[in-house]
Amino acid sequence: EAGVVQSPRYKIIEKKQPVAFWCNPISGHNTLYWYRQNLGQGPELLIRYENEEAVDDSQLPKDRFSAERLKGVDSTLKIQPAELGDSAVYLCASSYGQGETQYFGPGTRLLVL
Amino acid sequence: DAKTTQPTSMDCAEGRAANLPCNHSTISGNEYVYWYRQIHSQGPQYIIHGLKNNETNEMASLIITEDRKSSTLILPHATLRDTAVYYCIVRVAQGNKLVFGAGTILRVKS
Repeated sequence: EAGVVQSPRYKIIEKKQPVAFWCNPISGHNTLYWYRQNLGQGPELLIRYENEEAVDDSQLPKDRFSAERLKGVDSTLKIQPAELGDSAVYLCASSYGQGETQYFGPGTRLLVL
Repeated sequence: DAKTTQPTSMDCAEGRAANLPCNHSTISGNEYVYWYRQIHSQGPQYIIHGLKNNETNEMASLIITEDRKSSTLILPHATLRDTAVYYCIVRVAQGNKLVFGAGTILRVKS
């Protein structure tokens, strides 16, 4: 069974530029999560989708971050404009449904200069 | 979700059992104990979870005390590839947010 796929794996951009991350969850997983992991810390949830619907985006900084999951499968997380403090690893995870075990992708490591 | 406490770091000799403790003294009756690990430059990897009973799978064993206030993750024969940060997380049965702490850095040495 293929795992969660994320791309790109690494991204370096200058501040104020836009950036986007893509996630393809495990086949059949209806729930998709985006987490952010700062250096030396554990991941923190940004947003959770149940199919196409964002059901928990309380931790998403909505002034510059946006996300979508148009067909209930793939998802994109965007930052516009990026700030120096956005440098982190952005992780995508998926699960069969609410409350089920979450499986993580390898993450996208973002460096904002 | 209940808070967990783990040692900052531990060392283990290759081939020996690695026993990683976790305290969750405020755990509620409907909260599960989950363990994930994160190898350098990779995403967190699910290991095992349990509610009351001890659990075992191909990766590890989870021992939960009778009062459920603490647990131990056991890697029976640690290898160098088991060097990672190990996270103990408590989560309600229908909860969706995994709240990660700082975890335990396990170093397996030859």
